[in-house]
Amino acid sequence: GESVGLHLPTLSVQEGDNSIINCAYSNSASDYFIWYKQESGKGPQFIIDIRSNMDKRQGQRVTVLLNKTVKHLSLQIAATQPGDSAVYFCAENMNAGGTSYGKLTFGQGTILTVHP
Amino acid sequence: DAGVIQSPRHEVTEMGQEVTLRCKPISGHNSLFWYRQTMMRGLELLIYFNNNVPIDDSGMPEDRFSAKMPNASFSTLKIQPSEPRDSAVYFCASSGLAGALGGELFFGEGSRLTVL
Repeated sequence: GESVGLHLPTLSVQEGDNSIINCAYSNSASDYFIWYKQESGKGPQFIIDIRSNMDKRQGQRVTVLLNKTVKHLSLQIAATQPGDSAVYFCAENMNAGGTSYGKLTFGQGTILTVHP
Repeated sequence: DAGVIQSPRHEVTEMGQEVTLRCKPISGHNSLFWYRQTMMRGLELLIYFNNNVPIDDSGMPEDRFSAKMPNASFSTLKIQPSEPRDSAVYFCASSGLAGALGGELFFGEGSRLTVL
């Protein structure tokens, strides 16, 4: 029979452009957020994280912005490269460091395609 | 530096057969997680262990699924009997106290299970 799957948001950009991937999280009590990148046939790979007492954190070519008022998280990738093509997941964790330490709830993901 | 190691990478089996997936976490990590990824439901947490003790198994679909962690360096996820709807990629992840802000998970490459 026909299979029905998640319809992941997609983002297509040209090499060298900046990319912004958005995520709406569900739990206002979540205090820790992570972005993961998953390439085809591989496991998710950590990109950057942010705690709820921050609204911005920068890494190498990546920036995560957190807006707790509207429960929104974004990942900005500067000078996007073909190697950045992957599925990007945001994940949230409530009470990081407590008994739910590391228990992440993942979003559905966004497919990023970078054209040379 | 070895990451999380999962085996088998691929398994094809017939409905009703027992399936055992294996995971070796990163040495020194004290938390281990089993996730399942499907097109329908995305990444779902099945169970996680802290210091070899199961903390939360609320994500385990039903009694056909069981997981064990006999020691700090080994865990199994068993499905008996398997059904076609169990077909998915099963990821093992581990986490230690040395994460950037706490909570970062390191994923294995996954075990792709197909139940015919």
